[in-house]
Amino acid sequence: QKEVEQNSGPLSVPEGAIASLNCTYSDRVSQSFFWYRQYSGKSPELIMSIYSNGDKEDGRFTAQLNKASQYVSLLIRDSQPSDSATYLCATQMDSNYQLIWGAGTKLIIKP
Amino acid sequence: NAGVTQTPKFQVLKTGQSMTLQCAQDMNHNSMYWYRQDPGMGLRLIYYSASEGTTDKGEVPNGYNVSRLNKREFSLRLESAAPSQTSVYFCASTLTSGVRNTGELFFGEGSRLTVL
Repeated sequence: QKEVEQNSGPLSVPEGAIASLNCTYSDRVSQSFFWYRQYSGKSPELIMSIYSNGDKEDGRFTAQLNKASQYVSLLIRDSQPSDSATYLCATQMDSNYQLIWGAGTKLIIKP
Repeated sequence: NAGVTQTPKFQVLKTGQSMTLQCAQDMNHNSMYWYRQDPGMGLRLIYYSASEGTTDKGEVPNGYNVSRLNKREFSLRLESAAPSQTSVYFCASTLTSGVRNTGELFFGEGSRLTVL
């Protein structure tokens, strides 16, 4: 059974620090990986996608993928209180397949 | 730009009642989805429609039916609601090119359903 695992948290990080969110997946054929952010009471929104091993940076966000170890992470630099949300990790085996979702990690940025 | 619009946003039902959740998107997306989200369980796919005229079961289809009315609209029906269907329901859409799914889903605001 394909699974995506995330620590549910909450993960508490001081404002201005680096927040590190991790996700592991069980299916070795997963090819595409996504990080969605969900504010409390709101719908998920895509913030990062990554397809190749290594790092991908977008502003304060960096996604890291290690297919050999089957994990993907999201780093948030200079964390802001507005980054407080639940972060959902999702994988996709192939472009024909549906996304497989983790349960999410709740991140709290303390001023 | 409205994006994905869901109605109603809140609904309370009694066990055994039926209802339909409506979803419409104005982004000319091919694929549409219905998810439910329960605490600690993430998003679970109920049904999806890869293109107009097709629908397929997802992970948790029992107790639900769907209709892809046209390219814009995808509805979810609960024929006989049960307390286990108390959840937040999200409609989503994505652009596909041929059979390729980009993985970038656009979500509606959610419909909060309580079944007593």
